[in-house]
Amino acid sequence: KQEVTQIPAALSVPEGENLVLNCSFTDSAIYNLQWFRQDPGKGLTSLLLIQSSQREQTSGRLNASLDKSSGRSTLYIAASQPGDSATYLCAVPRNSGNTPLVFGKGTRLSVIA
Amino acid sequence: SQTIHQWPATLVQPVGSPLSLECTVEGTSNPNLYWYRQAAGRGLQLLFYSVGIGQISSEVPQNLSASRPQDRQFILSSKKLLLSDSGFYLCAWRDPGGRNSPLHFGNGTRLTVT
Repeated sequence: KQEVTQIPAALSVPEGENLVLNCSFTDSAIYNLQWFRQDPGKGLTSLLLIQSSQREQTSGRLNASLDKSSGRSTLYIAASQPGDSATYLCAVPRNSGNTPLVFGKGTRLSVIA
Repeated sequence: SQTIHQWPATLVQPVGSPLSLECTVEGTSNPNLYWYRQAAGRGLQLLFYSVGIGQISSEVPQNLSASRPQDRQFILSSKKLLLSDSGFYLCAWRDPGGRNSPLHFGNGTRLTVT
C-alpha cells in the first residue's frame, strides 16, 4: 500500500532564505510525483509534476527533484517570499497506471518578512 | 482552457439532513473525476472516483454516495448527514489520456454539520 510522508509538518523561515521541503513514498514503482500548494481555506493548486523518467522539474523559483530508487522527492524554493506561505503537499499514484493519487499531510510553510 | 467549478463554497447543515455537492468541469471531455475530503490533521482522503458516466468507484464505506449523470458533472450526496461528515470537500479532475496527466482541484466546499 502506497504511503506518503512529508517532514517537517511545519517550517518557519525568514524572507529571502532558500529552503527544501521533503517527501517520501513507500512504493517506488510510480509514474510521476506531483507537488501542490494549498492556501488556507482554498483548493489545491498544482505546482509541478515530475515524471519517473525525469530527475528534476523547474518552474520559476521552484525546483522539484525525484529519486525513485530511494523513494524521495524534494521541493526547493529559492529566495523565499512571504507570498510563498502556504501548505505544500506531494502526491503519487497509488499504483501503476492512471490511478488516484495518495497525498502526504503536507508541510505548512511560513515565510516571515 | 479547462476550468472546474464546485459549489457551494460553504455549507452548514443539521445532523440528519440531506447533502448535495456539485462539481462540473469545462473544456475537456471524458475526464477522470474525484471527490476528496480533507479533515484537520488527517490529510486528503479519497472518497470516490469516476472514469466515465455512471462509473463510480467507492473508497470508503460510509453514508456518502456519488453520481456522474453527465460526462463533466460529479455529484456527492448523502441522505442523512452525521457530525463526522464535517470537513473540506474537494473535487478534482484529470485528463484520462496518458499516465502523466496532472490532477487539478476545485476551490472546495467547507461543510459543517451541526
